Amino acid sequence: SYELTQPLSVSVTLGQTARITCGGDNIEKTNAHWYQQKAGQAPVLVIYRDDNRPSGIPERFAGSNSGNTATLTISGAQAGDEADYFCQVWDGSTVVFGGGTKLTVL
Amino acid sequence: QLLLQESGPGLVKPSETLSLTCNVSGGSIGPSGYYWGWLRQPPGKGLEWIASISSTANSHYNPAFKSRVAISVDTSKSHFALKLSSVAAADTAVYFCARQLWPEKFDLWGQGTQVIVAS
Repeated sequence: SYELTQPLSVSVTLGQTARITCGGDNIEKTNAHWYQQKAGQAPVLVIYRDDNRPSGIPERFAGSNSGNTATLTISGAQAGDEADYFCQVWDGSTVVFGGGTKLTVL
Repeated sequence: QLLLQESGPGLVKPSETLSLTCNVSGGSIGPSGYYWGWLRQPPGKGLEWIASISSTANSHYNPAFKSRVAISVDTSKSHFALKLSSVAAADTAVYFCARQLWPEKFDLWGQGTQVIVAS
């Protein structure tokens, strides 16, 4: 079965750039989506189809997908960005999620 | 604005069947190109897709659940439902319903409902 690998945690200094990776075999051949989940809340879609932002998501959130890695980049990280982030793809037969990355803003 | 709201028992006994409903309000669940899905998140763990269904009852299942899960839709009541049979402690989780642009992104989510499997 297809697997997506995310780092358990990423730390970023307030105002700096955070990058959260999602590794998968030839992930560039699929569309990667990213969700933000704050404690006790439902996930929110922040990036879809690799690099598209839904309406209402700040421009600080950006995505890319190349080779075996999809990346979520958060520029000028704010305290309110502290959350768990999950990547997701369709592997041709099932929906697959990464294990999630906890982003800490220092 | 479309809203999704899960409902169901918070406690289910082992070996019984878990039944959940997702009510869709503020818009139509009818033909729109969207699918309607169920996902779950065990305590302290990641997200897991269970199943999705279209308004015309075309359904897709995660193979890991297929033998004991059923998803259904009732467009007249604007809701869709999940049944998970033979539950065990490992099925303890927060269950979410969500709108899906099949087979890709989940763009709208319910708030989630906690289900505990215990005797």
